[in-house]
Amino acid sequence: GEDVEQSLFLSVREGDSSVINCTYTDSSSTYLYWYKQEPGAGLQLLTYIFSNMDMKQDQRLTVLLNKKDKHLSLRIADTQTGDSAIYFCALATYNTDKLIFGTGTRLQVFP
Amino acid sequence: EPEVTQTPSHQVTQMGQEVILRCVPISNHLYFYWYRQILGQKVEFLVSFYNNEISEKSEIFDDQFSVERPDGSNFTLKIRSTKLEDSAMYFCASKFGQSASGNTIYFGEGSWLTVV
Repeated sequence: GEDVEQSLFLSVREGDSSVINCTYTDSSSTYLYWYKQEPGAGLQLLTYIFSNMDMKQDQRLTVLLNKKDKHLSLRIADTQTGDSAIYFCALATYNTDKLIFGTGTRLQVFP
Repeated sequence: EPEVTQTPSHQVTQMGQEVILRCVPISNHLYFYWYRQILGQKVEFLVSFYNNEISEKSEIFDDQFSVERPDGSNFTLKIRSTKLEDSAMYFCASKFGQSASGNTIYFGEGSWLTVV
């Protein structure tokens, strides 16, 4: 089955850019999502990209998709302390309606 | 902005008891889901529901679990006889459709279930 992996931790200084990476195994992914989870809270949809796109920008967020390498990334420009959270990538594929989530990356932003 | 709402936010139950977790999906959405996240682990798919029937379920979703859409607004997850390993955060989610614009899946805040 699909396997989705992320690095566990990322620590950045306030004002710097953060890049959170996600790798996956199944090339039939259709939609690829990024969700944010703050402590004790639910999953907040940040952005998503369709598999026929290479890049999507939404204010401070930039999503890059490299289908050849099966690599998805989320770049947060001008990272703020309020961006501290766990970030999950999640994939949907052609033959199923479910999302496969990554392990989550805990982003810590320090002043 | 419309949102998926879940109740209760936290429930503690004794092993063997039945639990019902409730969700109100976004009003014009047609596809409904339950996911769970055991503490410190990945978010896992449980079940999807469309047109008043289960469209897909995972291995986790055994005979102890059931879902229902009893009216036009609620979507419930029932665990018939809870086990300790059912302790987790349960997320309800919904989306409008299968088109490019309708495929955005929105999640609720979650219901934290503790089985003792």
